Amino acid sequence: DAGVIQSPRHEVTEMGQEVTLRCKPISGHDYLFWYRQTMMRGLELLIYFNNNVPIDDSGMPEDRFSAKMPNASFSTLKIQPSEPRDSAVYFCASSFPPTLGELFFGEGSRLTVL
Amino acid sequence: DAKTTQPTSMDCAEGRAANLPCNHSTISGNEYVYWYRQIHSQGPQYIIHGLKNNETNEMASLIITEDRKSSTLILPHATLRDTAVYYCIVSLLGSNYQLIWGAGTKLIIKP
Repeated sequence: DAGVIQSPRHEVTEMGQEVTLRCKPISGHDYLFWYRQTMMRGLELLIYFNNNVPIDDSGMPEDRFSAKMPNASFSTLKIQPSEPRDSAVYFCASSFPPTLGELFFGEGSRLTVL
Repeated sequence: DAKTTQPTSMDCAEGRAANLPCNHSTISGNEYVYWYRQIHSQGPQYIIHGLKNNETNEMASLIITEDRKSSTLILPHATLRDTAVYYCIVSLLGSNYQLIWGAGTKLIIKP
């Protein structure tokens, strides 16, 4: 299996622009997670899905952030409009219920908002 | 707040065993201990988890004290590629969305 695939790996944009990050989970995994990592706050859970349904989005910073999972093999995290404080590495992870102790992370998308 | 305490950083000589401690004095009876690591510029990688018994896999061994208030992750023969930040997390199995990530231990393997 190719693992969790994220794109783009790097994104540089200007304040006010829309940013879309993409994730393809491991086939057969029922859970998908979006995390954000910064030096100041470490790894933070933004939202997670179970069987394509958002279960907990309490970690989403504000209404500028939205996430969707239209099918079992694709998810997006969108920021509109982006702000410099959104600069971070965004990770997607997936897991399968029988082994919920193990999350499989993608390589991350490094976002820089100027 | 993170429910674990780890040293900020540690060094270990290449080829030696790396022993990473973790305190989790408020762990409840049904919470598991998880270890992940994050190599620079990569996503976190699962290493091992356990409840009360010691566990071993191809990557590491996990030793949990009898009172479960602390644990040690052991990398038996550390290599330079084991240089990473190691995270110790306690959480209920089946609720891994509740993983609370602390600052971890920066482990540096020296040649």
